[in-house]
Amino acid sequence: KNEVEQSPQNLTAQEGEFITINCSYSVGISALHWLQQHPGGGIVSLFMLSSGKKKHGRLIATINIQEKHSSLHITASHPRDSAVYICAVSVTGNQFYFGTGTSLTVIP
Amino acid sequence: DGGITQSPKYLFRKEGQNVTLSCEQNLNHDAMYWYRQDPGQGLRLIYYSQIVNDFQKGDIAEGYSVSREKKESFPLTVTSAQKNPTAFYLCASRTSVGYGYTFGSGTRLTVV
Repeated sequence: KNEVEQSPQNLTAQEGEFITINCSYSVGISALHWLQQHPGGGIVSLFMLSSGKKKHGRLIATINIQEKHSSLHITASHPRDSAVYICAVSVTGNQFYFGTGTSLTVIP
Repeated sequence: DGGITQSPKYLFRKEGQNVTLSCEQNLNHDAMYWYRQDPGQGLRLIYYSQIVNDFQKGDIAEGYSVSREKKESFPLTVTSAQKNPTAFYLCASRTSVGYGYTFGSGTRLTVV
């Protein structure tokens, strides 16, 4: 069983749609991270959160510590949002568990 | 601009050869990490280093070696003992304060 589960694995949306990617985890965590991996492979850290909600532009990340669940929302999706989104949790400073990612394709 | 530089982006290796992947950061981060990514799997930790001249094995260290002679540099050597070296390798770093990570752009290694 993976410590971090993401859903859906693949997601196709029309431009402008509201998108939600979910992440559930089974371990006690220090923080949860949302990462974005573009086709070239490089990874960008989008959010790090340990409670509540964070917003950056059209991206919103929420976390419910009691339910061990986080969501990443993209409002007014755009083709440039097409990427793999990875949920990761840090248990200690050096111990991370990664989800397998959600591949998002936004169609114009 | 500060960041992590991984080189090369693509690397081909013949079976039986060792190969070294470069990772350099100018963020003044204390900790550095190497991850391996395979299709359909999450990132897996190979090695990490919290300070210069010290490093620890991760979950899949067999067949790999590292060094940390300078704070800025954390090269990974994929040895001939690694049975399945073809993969995408990511380097990351983190300051000692907080849990935010910075990732490099990765190196795709193919064994031919």
